[in-house]
Amino acid sequence: AQSVTQPDIHITVSEGASLELRCNYSYGATPYLFWYVQSPGQGLQLLLKYFSGDTLVQGIKGFEAEFKRSQSSFNLRKPSVHWSDAAEYFCAVGADDMRFGAGTRLTVKP
Amino acid sequence: DTAVSQTPKYLVTQMGNDKSIKCEQNLGHDTMYWYKQDSKKFLKIMFSYNNKELIINETVPNRFSPKSPDKAHLNLHINSLELGDSAVYFCASSQPTGPNTGELFFGEGSRLTVL
Repeated sequence: AQSVTQPDIHITVSEGASLELRCNYSYGATPYLFWYVQSPGQGLQLLLKYFSGDTLVQGIKGFEAEFKRSQSSFNLRKPSVHWSDAAEYFCAVGADDMRFGAGTRLTVKP
Repeated sequence: DTAVSQTPKYLVTQMGNDKSIKCEQNLGHDTMYWYKQDSKKFLKIMFSYNNKELIINETVPNRFSPKSPDKAHLNLHINSLELGDSAVYFCASSQPTGPNTGELFFGEGSRLTVL
């Protein structure tokens, strides 16, 4: 069965610093992988997705993620974090029955 | 123009009551879902429907009954509410083909509080 692990429950970074959020997945075939962001009181918004092809994918708001099949990982990165990036981030795998990780809460220090 | 809309946004009710949450999407998608997000932000799929047909039914109590009158609507009815049902319920839709394949479009959520 497919599953997703986000090892970090909470991460704090300073504004302007770089960010990496970790995601490991378990999936029987070539996975569909996603990163979503949830701001307080809001629904989830897609940041980026990977289906096939180039393993480095670019998303909205300056985010990117790299698919590494050998490590079963799909880590999310941003070179310089803005205060408005503070939110909950979810990694997800699958298509018709998408499964989400537990989420990583990002706090941004001034 | 909201793509996936849920009503009500907030719902406070007593244990034992029956309540419904409605969801509508105007994206023309074939597949709709209900997810439950608990207090720790964990998102768990409950149901999915494809063109009004039930596809996924996770281990959800029988008190939860989804209904899809047409492919643009997926409602969730909950009988005999319990304290543990308190959560945020998200409706979502997706399209299995095309440029947005697999991407879930979420509503803003319906926060249910059972007292």
